Amino acid sequence: ILNVEQSPQSLHVQEGDSTNFTCSFPSSNFYALHWYRWETAKSPEALFVMTLNGDEKKKGRISATLNTKEGYSYLYIKGSQPEDSATYLCAFRGGSASKIIFGSGTRLSIRP
Amino acid sequence: DAGVTQSPTHLIKTRGQQVTLRCSPKSGHDTVSWYQQALGQGPQFIFQYYEEEERQRGNFPDRFSGHQFPNYSSELNVNALLLGDSALYLCASSLLFSPQHFGDGTRLSIL
Repeated sequence: ILNVEQSPQSLHVQEGDSTNFTCSFPSSNFYALHWYRWETAKSPEALFVMTLNGDEKKKGRISATLNTKEGYSYLYIKGSQPEDSATYLCAFRGGSASKIIFGSGTRLSIRP
Repeated sequence: DAGVTQSPTHLIKTRGQQVTLRCSPKSGHDTVSWYQQALGQGPQFIFQYYEEEERQRGNFPDRFSGHQFPNYSSELNVNALLLGDSALYLCASSLLFSPQHFGDGTRLSIL
C-alpha cells in the first residue's frame, strides 16, 4: 500500500514568520509530485508539479524542493501573510500510472 | 472560461438510496478524476475516466461506478448508500497526466 504522509498536520505561524512543512512519499517508481493549496470553501489550486530529483520551484513567497531518492518534498513559505492560511496538500504519482495519492494535508493558520 | 463545475453542491440522502453526482470538466480537458474526502482526511482517489473508459480505480467497492460522456463530462454513481459514504466528493479534470483542476465539490450527507 502506497502511503503519502504530511507533517505537521497543523501549524500556527505568526504573520511575517517563515515556515516549512514536509511531504513523504515512496522513493521507488516515482513519476511526479504535486503540491496544492486549498483554502476553506474553495477548490484546491495547483501550486507546483515536480518531476526531477533536486527540483526547486518558486511561486512568489512559496517554494518547494524535491528529493526523490529519499522520498520527501519540502514546501517553504517566506514571510507568512494571513492570505497564506489554507490546507497544503501534496499528491504523489508513481510510475506512469494516472492514479494520484494525496496526503492528508498540513493546515496552516497565520496569526496577525 | 468556466473551470470545473460540479452539481449539486449539497445533497442529503438516506441509507440504501442511490445518488448521482455530476461534473463538467474545464474547457479543453479530456480526463476526469473523482475523489472522496472525509472530514479531516486528504482526498481519496475513486477512479479516473479518459476516452469514456475507466482507466484507473482506487480502493472503492463496486457500489461506486461512473461514466464519461462524449463531451468529457462525467457522473459518479453510488448505490446502496451507507452512513460512511457521507463526504465531500471532488471532481478534477486535466489533460492526461497534467496537473488537475478541481471543482468545488458536492457535499453528500447520509442520514
